[in-house]
Amino acid sequence: DQQVKQNSPSLSVQEGRISILNCDYTNSMFDYFLWYKKYPAEGPTFLISISSIKDKNEDGRFTVFLNKSAKHLSLHIVPSQPGDSAVYFCAAREVGRALTFGSGTRLQVQP
Amino acid sequence: DAGVIQSPRHEVTEMGQEVTLRCKPISGHDYLFWYRQTMMRGLELLIYFNNNVPIDDSGMPEDRFSAKMPNASFSTLKIQPSEPRDSAVYFCASSWGADTQYFGPGTRLTVL
Repeated sequence: DQQVKQNSPSLSVQEGRISILNCDYTNSMFDYFLWYKKYPAEGPTFLISISSIKDKNEDGRFTVFLNKSAKHLSLHIVPSQPGDSAVYFCAAREVGRALTFGSGTRLQVQP
Repeated sequence: DAGVIQSPRHEVTEMGQEVTLRCKPISGHDYLFWYRQTMMRGLELLIYFNNNVPIDDSGMPEDRFSAKMPNASFSTLKIQPSEPRDSAVYFCASSWGADTQYFGPGTRLTVL
């Protein structure tokens, strides 16, 4: 039973445009959400997070939106750059438990 | 400041052999996690420790897998005997307080 789902395995965007990566979850006990970025042959690196008491968190070109009623979060990258090409994982935490990761979305930013 | 360190980075072994993967977490972190990444299953949590104590090992696939954390700065994941289906990238991660996890570079294991 996948509690965190990333339904788009891949996404292709033109450089300079907006990239929107989506993530859905089913567990209403999740209270903290994160996005990780992974390049080939490297471990995932933390990108941005959001607490369940907020609906938006912004860090430079990256913004995470949380819609608790829809159990949906999204990562917006504006403007997208070729260096953003990577696999993006969303993750969620229930208090006292380890993170649960989605299956990842491969983003390709075309120059 | 060094991140999570894993060794070896690559391991090629033959079926039936024992494999030991090693991890040094970030100093001061109290949680340590072992993950396996495959094309089929994505990123799977195998086991995690809090203050060197195993908390949840429900993700460990079989008795062939074992993990230890003898002290706060070292952990091992052992597979004995190894099988071709164990071929994957194994990641170690650490965190302070089970929130944001910091991952190592991974060990790519190939079992022939």
